[in-house]
Amino acid sequence: EDQVTQSPEALRLQEGESSSLNCSYTVSGLRGLFWYRQDPGKGPEFLFTLYSAGEEKEKERLKATLTKKESFLHITAPKPEDSATYLCAVQPQGGSEKLVFGKGTKLTVNP
Amino acid sequence: GAGVSQTPSNKVTEKGKYVELRCDPISGHTALYWYRQSLGQGPEFLIYFQGTGAADDSGLPNDRFFAVRPEGSVSTLKIQRTERGDSAVYLCASSLYGDTQYFGPGTRLTVL
Repeated sequence: EDQVTQSPEALRLQEGESSSLNCSYTVSGLRGLFWYRQDPGKGPEFLFTLYSAGEEKEKERLKATLTKKESFLHITAPKPEDSATYLCAVQPQGGSEKLVFGKGTKLTVNP
Repeated sequence: GAGVSQTPSNKVTEKGKYVELRCDPISGHTALYWYRQSLGQGPEFLIYFQGTGAADDSGLPNDRFFAVRPEGSVSTLKIQRTERGDSAVYLCASSLYGDTQYFGPGTRLTVL
């Protein structure tokens, strides 16, 4: 069964304190791994897609990396506006395009 | 460039009633997806359409749930005989090439 586990469940950082969020996954085959940001009361906002081990993508203070078993979302010098829940999802190989999501990591950045 | 829109944003209903939730995808996107998100959980897949046909409905929890996309654009998720356990945020997403899915703001359904 395809499964995604995110850790930690919640993370509190001081402004400027860099850290990483983890996404571990088990799939029979990986078509793609996705990171989304979700603010309270809003829908998930797309951040990155990663397709193969070794791939990295960056956007402002965020950098996503991928291995064969997990993905990391690195946050460098975070600001309070980076506070949100970060969701990881995998799209398994095969006919369906469905995404399998983890429960998310709730990030709080204090000023 | 409008994103995915969903109506209503909030729906309160009584147990046993019928509800319809609407999704307008990004213009030109051929694939449309429905997910359900409970508090503190990640979105859970329900069904997706490629054009007018349901390509995968394996996530629908039971036969009270049904979705249509008659003209390959707007989709409606229909829930019969609602139960309190159906309370959740229902999310819709669309995609152009079947990879990156762009989500709408969701409809919060509360069943009293």
